[in-house]
Amino acid sequence: GAVVSQHPSRVICKSGTSVKIECRSLDFQATTMFWYRQFPKKSLMLMATSNEGSKATYEQGVEKDKFLINHASLTLSTLTVTSAHPEDSSFYICSASIGSRETQYFGPGTRLLVL
Amino acid sequence: DAKTTQPPSMDCAEGRAANLPCNHSTISGNEYVYWYRQIHSQGPQYIIHGLKNNETNEMASLIITEDRKSSTLILPHATLRDTAVYYCIVRPLNNDMRFGAGTRLTVKP
Repeated sequence: GAVVSQHPSRVICKSGTSVKIECRSLDFQATTMFWYRQFPKKSLMLMATSNEGSKATYEQGVEKDKFLINHASLTLSTLTVTSAHPEDSSFYICSASIGSRETQYFGPGTRLLVL
Repeated sequence: DAKTTQPPSMDCAEGRAANLPCNHSTISGNEYVYWYRQIHSQGPQYIIHGLKNNETNEMASLIITEDRKSSTLILPHATLRDTAVYYCIVRPLNNDMRFGAGTRLTVKP
């Protein structure tokens, strides 16, 4: 149980385009989902927290207009990187929990490369 | 702003117990100790968590000192597949999961 999937697993795009990453909880309903970013040889950095049906809460320094998060259902959250630039290239990982008070389960990650 | 301190790296012989320490001297009464691990190029995997009492599951055991200022994750019989970065995280139940640098465990044949 507690399986979280991400799609795509890796994506290459041109600078200036937008990329959408999906995060799904496969066997539980996730009222809260989290998005992280991880640069090479670094730890995970929390980008934002989203609760189903409400606006995401972004960490300081994360541009909400650049990283659009939608948590439209209890099993799906999407992260859209708008007008991607090479410095946005990173490993993006989502996690989900039944509630904000519960254990988080992580997806396998999406590797984004912006050329 | 991780509230934990872990050694950057450790080695362990295959088949032996791996004991990973974590210091969290500023832990508050309502904060849990969580352990995750991340195998290269994958998302973190939940291992175990606890508040005060020692915990055990099919993956590992978590030993928390009586003053709760430190803990140890024990993998009883390490295998090569246990090679990963192990993260110790202190977190109130209704708060975000924030990762420190973790311990890179290398299990050697």
